[in-house]
Amino acid sequence: DIQMTQSPSSLSASVGDRVTITCQASQGLNSDLNWYQQRPGEAPRLLIYAASNLETGVPSRFTGSESGTHFTFTISSLQPEDVATYYCLQYRDYPRTFGQGTRLDLK
Amino acid sequence: QVQLVQSGSVLKRPGASVRLSCKASGYDFTTYAMNWVRQAPGQGLEWMGWINTNSGNPMYAQGFAGRFAFSVDNSVSTAYLQITSLKDEDTAIYYCARDRVIDFWGQGTLVTVSS
Repeated sequence: DIQMTQSPSSLSASVGDRVTITCQASQGLNSDLNWYQQRPGEAPRLLIYAASNLETGVPSRFTGSESGTHFTFTISSLQPEDVATYYCLQYRDYPRTFGQGTRLDLK
Repeated sequence: QVQLVQSGSVLKRPGASVRLSCKASGYDFTTYAMNWVRQAPGQGLEWMGWINTNSGNPMYAQGFAGRFAFSVDNSVSTAYLQITSLKDEDTAIYYCARDRVIDFWGQGTLVTVSS
């Protein structure tokens, strides 16, 4: 199975801050990685697909990038509505595997 | 627009069975696979497996073969998850989610198992 190591597990930041979350894959994914946002009490929502593509309707402050097996998710300027838990998912192989999640709140 | 609407919350006794539904609209149901994802209280997301909506062939992640069963009824564009011999640890929110790349999600169904 492909292991996804996501960090940090939690972080606090202020409105306007730049926030970065990473996922390290145990093997190459050929860009087959998504990022999701899950607000409290809601279902996950796709933000970034294929490592770096912004889903339709998602604000441009969210970006994704990759370098080999290392994937980065960035919020360029944190907004109050971004308080949520964020997950990466690899869909390169079965079983699909999620990162452990990063809980983001406001400082 | 794509929508996945799941059935409502349920409370079951240990040992009982439950069938959850996920009704799709806004796209050709048989063109996209359907995944099931579990989220235990306060925990992360766990992929349970997927079903080929065209053939009805399921694939289960390790730990989900046996008491869990995926099925589809293409005539009503609906996917189902059945859980038998329910245990306390099956208490969770269960999500359906579309496609091999997991793009759209249902709103989730809370299953509570308690005596």
